[in-house]
Amino acid sequence: DTEVTQTPKHLVMGMTNKKSLKCEQHMGHRAMYWYKQKAKKPPELMFVYSYEKLSINESVPSRFSPECPNSSLLNLHLHALQPEDSALYLCASRGWGASRDTEAFFGQGTRLTVV
Amino acid sequence: KNQVEQSPQSLIILEGKNCTLQCNYTVSPFSNLRWYKQDTGRGPVSLTIMTFSENTKSNGRYTATLDADTKQSSLHITASQLSDSASYICVVRDRGSTLGRLYFGRGTQLTVWP
Repeated sequence: DTEVTQTPKHLVMGMTNKKSLKCEQHMGHRAMYWYKQKAKKPPELMFVYSYEKLSINESVPSRFSPECPNSSLLNLHLHALQPEDSALYLCASRGWGASRDTEAFFGQGTRLTVV
Repeated sequence: KNQVEQSPQSLIILEGKNCTLQCNYTVSPFSNLRWYKQDTGRGPVSLTIMTFSENTKSNGRYTATLDADTKQSSLHITASQLSDSASYICVVRDRGSTLGRLYFGRGTQLTVWP
């Protein structure tokens, strides 16, 4: 299984709503990532979890709250978002080989629209 | 500053033709370079990953090259198909972080016409 599964695929939410994005992988990867991608732009790193601990927060606003309940799951909790937060949210995971880097696998993304 | 530059920004070719996409990077220290294919609104899918010691790697109709001295890579697509229409992204990882910070190029938008 070399898949990273993200749900939902599409999400429309109001600025007062609370919602969560979910990401799941069963490759035994211990590094998991959240990226935000606007149209025609490269993905921008938001958060990195290493061994279920938050290792990098790229100065992301607190209306985005990540959570890593276990080594296979990564959530992104959303609250009081703004229309400019509308984007494709990508989850990725990566393992470590003994002597070389391993692939980073991306999920299919969640297309988020904030109205 | 660690950067990844891709060219051309967009490319249109006819079905069955070959094309080559370019990637220049300044990421240091270098760990590896990856090419991804991304369809609109979907997540990136890995095509190849190349380390410092590899200078050519093929995956079907995709062939990637790497010149670590000049910090350049290319992705050659042979006998293009309509389904090759997508954004092709060059991604470089530095060796300075075990957490895998990836530096993304802006991508080349490839359109294949029948």
